[in-house]
Parts: sequence; structure tokens; C-alpha cells
Amino acid sequence: EVQLVQSGAEVKKPGESLKISCQGSGYTFTTYWIVWVRQMPGKGLERMGIIYPSDSDTRYSPSFQGQVTISADKSTSTAYLQWSSLKASDTAIYYCARRVGAYMDVWGKGTTVTVSS
Amino acid sequence: QSALTQPRSVSGSPGQSVTISCTGTSSDVGGYNYVSWYQQHPGKAPKLMIYDVSKRPSGVPDRFSGSKSGNTASLTISGLQAEDEADYYCCSYAGSYTDVFGGGTKLAVL
Repeated sequence: EVQLVQSGAEVKKPGESLKISCQGSGYTFTTYWIVWVRQMPGKGLERMGIIYPSDSDTRYSPSFQGQVTISADKSTSTAYLQWSSLKASDTAIYYCARRVGAYMDVWGKGTTVTVSS
Repeated sequence: QSALTQPRSVSGSPGQSVTISCTGTSSDVGGYNYVSWYQQHPGKAPKLMIYDVSKRPSGVPDRFSGSKSGNTASLTISGLQAEDEADYYCCSYAGSYTDVFGGGTKLAVL
């Protein structure tokens, strides 16, 4: 079974750093793009960026360029999303998804990130 | 890129049909046959319902169908069931490995 397993919920203070993960299983991790999607409380889905784990080719959506870093570790079939200095406005659920062609066929359950002083 | 435009809400009675529209531009919806639709129940992850405008993944009921005309894509749900009540998002490829989502539509089954 193809699965994306995301790391658990996080509660952080403004200014702290954070790295969340998304581990793939049941398929060849390196041959599909992984997408990160943000969903702020009560709001819609926003694509943050994508990474091709085989060579770590990464594309960021304009709104997220410079705000987050997307990376991947082929050896553990894991993609990461990280922040160097969190803001309250980063409070959201973050989903990873496998991108096949031009659509996302398998989604992780999401990681809830809460940033509050 | 700007988000695709969807109605904020639609509603229908059990057994009826509803259509959700998704309007973009010639740079996204109108430029590629790569529109997908996702269903999201409260507290759950999105689920792929339609891809490449009108294709259904295995396991998705044939009550769900997709189409496109010009810069507007549509998701039609026929024979509405209570379990269809959810948020629905369209997404279109916009070139250079870029995808753009719609703002989402809340479907109420009355």
C-alpha cells in the first residue's frame, strides 16, 4: 500500500525553528515528486512547493520562496519542510502528497503546527 | 499565480445533481487538460476524486464526473448522498511544475 506518513503535531514559539517530515512507503520514493500544501485554520489549500527526491530538484511557489526550505533524504524515503524562524502566521496544517503527472494521488494525514507565545 | 475561482458554497438534496465550477485563465485551466478535484471532509486529508479533467481514480464512484470548457472546469456530482457533504477543491497545472488550487467550495446536502 502506498503511504505517506507525516510527523506529529508541533507547538512552537515565534522565532523557533522547526523541521517536519513525510516518509513514503509502498512505492519507489525517488521517482515521484512530493508536494507540500498548507491549510491555514478555516482556509483553503495552498501549494508551497515540490521536490523530486531523486536529485532534490526543488520548486517553490512564489509566496513561499525564502520562507521555508524543502528537502529530501533518499536513504530514508523522507521529505522535509523546515522553517528557520517561525511566525504566528505559520500556524496551519501542512500536508505532503505524491504528485503523479499533474495531480496528487496520495496524501499524508497532515501535520498540525501551532505557533504561539 | 492567483487562486482559481470557485463558488464558496453549493447545496442540493439527496438524489439531486450539483455542479461546482472552477474558473481560471488561459495560463492554467484553459491551457492544459490537467485539472484535478479533491474532496476534503472536516479534519481529514484531501482525497483525489478527478484527475486530468475527467478521469476517475479507482474506487471513486461514477457519480463524480469532471469536464472543462475554455477557462472553466466543472465537477458534477449526481445522485447526491449525505456522505458527499464536504469541501471540494479544484487544482490546475499552470506550467513549469506549477499548480494552483481553487479557493474551495463547501457542499451541503440538505
